[in-house]
Amino acid sequence: GAVVSQHPSRVICKSGTSVKIECRSLDFQATTMFWYRQFPKQSLMLMATSNEGSKATYEQGVEKDKFLINHASLTLSTLTVTSAHPEDSSFYICSAGDTTGTGGEKLFFGSGTQLSVL
Amino acid sequence: GENVEQHPSTLSVQEGDSAVIKCTYSDSASNYFPWYKQELGKGPQLIIDIRSNVGEKKDQRIAVTLNKTAKHFSLHITETQPEDSAVYFCAASRGGGSNYKLTFGKGTLLTVNP
Repeated sequence: GAVVSQHPSRVICKSGTSVKIECRSLDFQATTMFWYRQFPKQSLMLMATSNEGSKATYEQGVEKDKFLINHASLTLSTLTVTSAHPEDSSFYICSAGDTTGTGGEKLFFGSGTQLSVL
Repeated sequence: GENVEQHPSTLSVQEGDSAVIKCTYSDSASNYFPWYKQELGKGPQLIIDIRSNVGEKKDQRIAVTLNKTAKHFSLHITETQPEDSAVYFCAASRGGGSNYKLTFGKGTLLTVNP
């Protein structure tokens, strides 16, 4: 399947700092990428839909000023957690859709980023 | 919006046995149903998917069945192996361009005992 690269895999930061997570589609172009958050032993919670060249669409309850999303190219989306606090500690995962395959619209996930805010 | 229910939440089988995980969905407009396997500390990996115009799909030891009338779909793993142990998520979406936003089930922790 298609490859989605996510970096960093793990980050530890101090409270009040900002953290940027990158999501790249390596062998396909993705006009739409998705950002999820996952707490331990729970399912994936969609945070926002990232559209190339336009503003992201945030799910209800997700603070857009807290979680800044930039989708500047067809292969790169970034999520910046601004002024991080301990409650932002979580596993963040991106996904990208490959609409060019014969199966169409398959979503592939990055390897995730474990954020720990001290 | 879409609601996906997944059962069981945990499943323990002996190596070589079969494992079945079931999901139901609420949105009759959903037409794409993928299954993901997630190992600890990693992102979900797409293992198989099915579209609503197909009732069954098989890939080696993995198969998925879909009953569109009853709005449920199932994952079947035969001849399970210890490396099949992971959390499995079902999902549903309406598909098509930006509409392929997935709604996930809560996951099933599968343990295959040697």
